[in-house]
Amino acid sequence: QSALTQPRSVSGSPGQSVTISCTGTSSDVGAYNYVSWYQQHPGKAPKLIIYDVNKRPSGVPDRFSGSRSANTASLTISGLQAEDEADYYCCSYAGTYTFEVFGTGTKVTAL
Amino acid sequence: QVQLQESGPGLVKPSETLSLTCTVSGGSINTYYWSWSWIRQPPGKGLEWIGYIFYSGTTTYSPPLKSRVTMSVDTSKNQFSLNLSSVTAADTAVYYCARLLMTSSSFAFDIWGLGTMVTVSS
Repeated sequence: QSALTQPRSVSGSPGQSVTISCTGTSSDVGAYNYVSWYQQHPGKAPKLIIYDVNKRPSGVPDRFSGSRSANTASLTISGLQAEDEADYYCCSYAGTYTFEVFGTGTKVTAL
Repeated sequence: QVQLQESGPGLVKPSETLSLTCTVSGGSINTYYWSWSWIRQPPGKGLEWIGYIFYSGTTTYSPPLKSRVTMSVDTSKNQFSLNLSSVTAADTAVYYCARLLMTSSSFAFDIWGLGTMVTVSS
């Protein structure tokens, strides 16, 4: 049960766009439309910001968007803001044996 | 608005059993489209899914932890619980309970508790 691979960190200037990749396999990210993304500020619980690859829960700003190509999912923050500085985790359904696998996590920094 | 709150000892001795409870407020645990999960995060590390339970008592556990995990649900108290046996220092983590949305078209942990830190130490 290997974790999904994310870059350790990404950074950008306020107002810029940043993209976080989440690489899995044909058994998880590439197999199901069940990729979700979570934002976690220091000392806080994770918060769902994208589910089912590209859907946004109510209340999540539209600068957050999700996509997928083959076995790699991506989260894009368009117009980076200071409050977007946080750790971000992807997650994918991986079938009835492994069930759920998280990504390694990415720290986003606004320069 | 549904809220989740973890409770339980913050310190557990090695080889003993870690026991936590999650209380659901603002909504019923008896729901068809949601199950109830435990997820943990060791200090400075990433998230690890532990398992989930339906209101009916049906469970699914993470394969690496399956031999040590037991989950239960008490619908009368709107609570669900986690037992993790034979703990070691590697089980030291913040433990979160979360609601898992499960339908034919959606799958995500949509509501999380605040988390509770559990340290395994003698």
